[in-house]
Amino acid sequence: DAKTTQPPSMDCAEGRAANLPCNHSTISGNEYVYWYRQIHSQGPQYIIHGLKNNETNEMASLIITEDRKSSTLILPHATLRDTAVYYCIGHNAGNMLTFGGGTRLMVKP
Amino acid sequence: SAVISQKPSRDICQRGTSLTIQCQVDSQVTMMFWYRQQPGQSLTLIATANQGSEATYESGFVIDKFPISRPNLTFSTLTVSNMSPEDSSIYLCSVAGVPEAFFGQGTRLTVV
Repeated sequence: DAKTTQPPSMDCAEGRAANLPCNHSTISGNEYVYWYRQIHSQGPQYIIHGLKNNETNEMASLIITEDRKSSTLILPHATLRDTAVYYCIGHNAGNMLTFGGGTRLMVKP
Repeated sequence: SAVISQKPSRDICQRGTSLTIQCQVDSQVTMMFWYRQQPGQSLTLIATANQGSEATYESGFVIDKFPISRPNLTFSTLTVSNMSPEDSSIYLCSVAGVPEAFFGQGTRLTVV
């Protein structure tokens, strides 16, 4: 898996968009950008993934730069339940995941 | 998708003893992974368990300390042997789906 760099922590007001950045300058051409989150004391949960194009699902949107060296996870209307550690991982499906430090997102009322 | 049941969810153990953690998947999978999450830290891969072969351990983890069984395609166990307080962590099993991986809820181990 590619090495990724994320800010250690971020705050977001409830109801506002949370934009979580990730640098993955060493990602290889066939590695996808995956995002997982870990809510306190639970196993990590898949959020979204993408290769080149921007992606959106019911949980979030993923914006990947054209050079694929960085990406942003967007939670459009953050709620208190979105408070978690968010991990950005460069990865190929079917293999083990290599977790970095992640970003601890605190959603505040 | 895959549903993973992990037992026990938590335990408090005496130093010098061993604990076996069980991981049951609701579908057949080729590879299962075991991770450790030390307090306040990220997840670290311990080993990859394939059915019918010995587990492959990551640097810093050895079979004598963390023996793993994989008797069939839906089940695996991780044993934490001769425990010390430094083994206090959350242990998680995982399976690699396509496109996403799935995780158990973890076993919170405290060694006293």
